[in-house]
Amino acid sequence: EIVMTQSPATLSVSPGERATLSCRASQSVSSSLAWYQQKPGQAPRLLIYGASTRATGIPARFSGSGSGTDFTLTISSLQSEDFAVYSCQQYNNWPLTFGGGTKVEIK
Amino acid sequence: QVQLVESGGGVVQPGRSLRLSCAASGFTFSGYAMYWVRQAPGKGLEWVSVIWYDGGNKYYADSVKGRFTISRDNSKNTLYLQMNSLRAEDTAVYYCARDLQLWQTLGYMDVWGRGTTVTVSS
Repeated sequence: EIVMTQSPATLSVSPGERATLSCRASQSVSSSLAWYQQKPGQAPRLLIYGASTRATGIPARFSGSGSGTDFTLTISSLQSEDFAVYSCQQYNNWPLTFGGGTKVEIK
Repeated sequence: QVQLVESGGGVVQPGRSLRLSCAASGFTFSGYAMYWVRQAPGKGLEWVSVIWYDGGNKYYADSVKGRFTISRDNSKNTLYLQMNSLRAEDTAVYYCARDLQLWQTLGYMDVWGRGTTVTVSS
């Protein structure tokens, strides 16, 4: 099983600032990496797939990069609605595995 | 609009069974692979199971293999998860989700339900 590790666990950021979230795979997943956003009491929302492709309707301030084992989600200028938990997920191998999540909170 | 609605959750004693349902609407259900993903209280997401669009393939997480069974009825636009021999560690919100791509199983999910809560406790 591929283990996905996200860092940091919590990121405190001021509105308008840039947020950089990391996700590392225990072995290469090529570019088979997705990012999700989840707000309290809500279902996850797909943000990014293929490591860098934005899903339909996702604002351009969200960008993904990386391949192999190291990936990054960048939110260029945090808006109030962006404070949430972000999870990465690999789909290169079964079983599908998620990272533990990074909580982006207001500084 | 595209929608997934889970049902069937509740409080159940360890060792008992429960069947979850997920009603799909607003899209061609029979063309999409479907997933169950769960989230224990205060924890991250955990993939549980997948079923191909035609039911031809099914995979399970090791944590549920042999106890849970995924199935679908494309005539009723409904996904199921039969959960047997439930354990305390199965306590979670269970989400059903749809694969992004029609007629393929890509492994990531673009439509999610709001979840149904399963609590396993004596």
